[in-house]
Amino acid sequence: LPVLTQPPSASALLGASIKLTCTLSSEHSRYTIEWYQQRPGRSPQYIMKVKSDGSHSKGDGIPDRFMGSSSGADRYLTVSNLQPDDEAEYHCGESHTIDGQVGYVFGTGTKVTVL
Amino acid sequence: EVQLVESGGGLVQPGGSLRLSCAASGFTFSSFAMSWVRQAPGKGLEWVSFISGSGTNIHYADSVKGRFTISRDNSKNTLYLQMNSLRAEDTAVYYCAKDETAGGLSSFDSWGQGTLVTVSS
Repeated sequence: LPVLTQPPSASALLGASIKLTCTLSSEHSRYTIEWYQQRPGRSPQYIMKVKSDGSHSKGDGIPDRFMGSSSGADRYLTVSNLQPDDEAEYHCGESHTIDGQVGYVFGTGTKVTVL
Repeated sequence: EVQLVESGGGLVQPGGSLRLSCAASGFTFSSFAMSWVRQAPGKGLEWVSFISGSGTNIHYADSVKGRFTISRDNSKNTLYLQMNSLRAEDTAVYYCAKDETAGGLSSFDSWGQGTLVTVSS
């Protein structure tokens, strides 16, 4: 199964930028991934899809401060001008079909703290 | 506006059963695939099961295969998850999630508020 690796935590100052990383296992390095934001005590919210070529497509209402990019097996989510409301857990995930079996795998999530 | 409202969670003993429901509104329910995703207390997200818009294409995570059954009633705009032979490790908040496509498992563009299932004696 594909494995998505995320650092457990990240932090940055209010108004600064932060770049979150989701690393795909090498044999799945060309997969498209999705980013989700989960604020404390809330359900996840779809942010965007990021392809291997770095192109991305955002969900409805996602601010321009959220950008996606890619390099090799790494998929990034950059949040600019950090706001208190950006303090949340950020999950990456991807869908796959292996031997006819469909599935979806999530990374372990990165907890973002706004200082 | 898309709305997904889960219900049916609660406390159940190991080996017991529970049926979750997810009432959908604000979109053409039959035109979109749906999934159940769970989150154990303090843990990450785990995809559980998928059903296509027509209900003909169904998949499960290995952890629940043979114990859980996903279904949908497009006339009632409702998604279901029948959970049997429940184990302590099934304790989690269960979310229903709308897929961006009708046929395949792609990504989850809308989520419900979740319903808590606790398996304990």
